[in-house]
Amino acid sequence: QQQVKQSPQSLIVQKGGISIINCAYENTAFDYFPWYQQFPGKGPALLIAIRPDVSEKKEGRFTISFNKSAKQFSLHIMDSQPGDSATYFCAASLISNFGNEKLTFGTGTRLTIIP
Amino acid sequence: ETGVTQTPRHLVMGMTNKKSLKCEQHLGHNAMYWYKQSAKKPLELMFVYSLEERVENNSVPSRFSPECPNSSHLFLHLHTLQPEDSALYLCASSQETGSPLHFGNGTRLTVT
Repeated sequence: QQQVKQSPQSLIVQKGGISIINCAYENTAFDYFPWYQQFPGKGPALLIAIRPDVSEKKEGRFTISFNKSAKQFSLHIMDSQPGDSATYFCAASLISNFGNEKLTFGTGTRLTIIP
Repeated sequence: ETGVTQTPRHLVMGMTNKKSLKCEQHLGHNAMYWYKQSAKKPLELMFVYSLEERVENNSVPSRFSPECPNSSHLFLHLHTLQPEDSALYLCASSQETGSPLHFGNGTRLTVT
């Protein structure tokens, strides 16, 4: 089963704090790990992504930490702001026989940043 | 403007109706996708088209029928749906099938 397990299901963080969302995967063939951000009434949008050859990637306040041996990766949002309130999905991709990217998504984390 | 436009935004249909969802991408991408999003479940890939040719079909029931007349348009034809088919249906596109996805805002479908 090519699953990606995401936790927590929901998260409340105070403004200025650090938000941390965790994901674990099973298939060691996965080679691309993106995070998508979805606001209410909108489709998901790519936020940040990482390949397994690096352990960390940072873009502004958003950082992905990747632990290949543990088959885990996490999203850290530093100095969390109310505008970060959204649902976050982790995903992992596996190149199928057709050469298509086939994303396996986590179940999502609803993040709420409170003032 | 997301670059991927889906219509209608909301659709309510009976189990015996026939309706279609439309997706149009303005990004010049070569691949288009249909996803199903249900509460507390992972996004489910339904269909993938690359250069108007279907390259992925994830064991989707035949009551869902995709159509890709050109690289900018994608349709999902619906007939004889079940209440459990109620969900948000998302269209996406990408430059190639291995490139990042760009999603539309979805069609919220309710089957009564």
